Amino acid sequence: QSVLTQPPSASETPGQRVTITCSGSSSNIGNNYIYWYKLVPGTAPKLLIYKNNQRPSGVPDRFSGSKSGTSASLAISGLRSEDEADYYCAAWDDSLSGPVFGGGTKLTVL
Amino acid sequence: QVQLQESGPGLVKASETLSLTCSVSGGSVTTYYWSWLRQSPGKGLEWIGHVHNSGSRSYNPSLKSRVTISLDTSENQFSLKLTSVTAADTAMYYCARISGLRVPPGEYWGQGTLVTVSS
Repeated sequence: QSVLTQPPSASETPGQRVTITCSGSSSNIGNNYIYWYKLVPGTAPKLLIYKNNQRPSGVPDRFSGSKSGTSASLAISGLRSEDEADYYCAAWDDSLSGPVFGGGTKLTVL
Repeated sequence: QVQLQESGPGLVKASETLSLTCSVSGGSVTTYYWSWLRQSPGKGLEWIGHVHNSGSRSYNPSLKSRVTISLDTSENQFSLKLTSVTAADTAMYYCARISGLRVPPGEYWGQGTLVTVSS
């Protein structure tokens, strides 16, 4: 059971927009930054969003992040086939004194 | 460009010690925090712990009694030791850099190494 809650799956057609949610509590998302990663088997996890809504260099602006209270979301617009992957949210947890993660959302591009 | 690469046995017998090394290139382990994480089959990511050159270490309480993370500045690498392993420790193990205080790992991760615990 992951500390942060994500829907296990999401799907959308190419060119459309999809939103993945992540919910937590005041000890993690409510009081700290949210991060988002893309995981593809056999490759290093890729950071998509840091500090709630900041994109690292090289991440296209099709990816955007937001946070409100103890929830956050990742939006991907202009979906492409290469966006098909597992997406994870993470935040520092004050009770654990370490980072906690969501269970991951498997995105299927139909 | 900072790169991390995990190495170590892919198969460990139950009750023995899992030992992994993360080699860092393009940057020094004398700065930032250096962490280990894992993903068990069908489950989400789990933070194992992290270390800083200052001597500061922090471990997940659920694993703390069995985990040691060490830094080797001469080799620019850091390591993970997990004792008394069971099948529940079978997972993909990742090393990653934490670039600030009270934040998750950032953009620098290894590609992971699969460790299977056999009976």
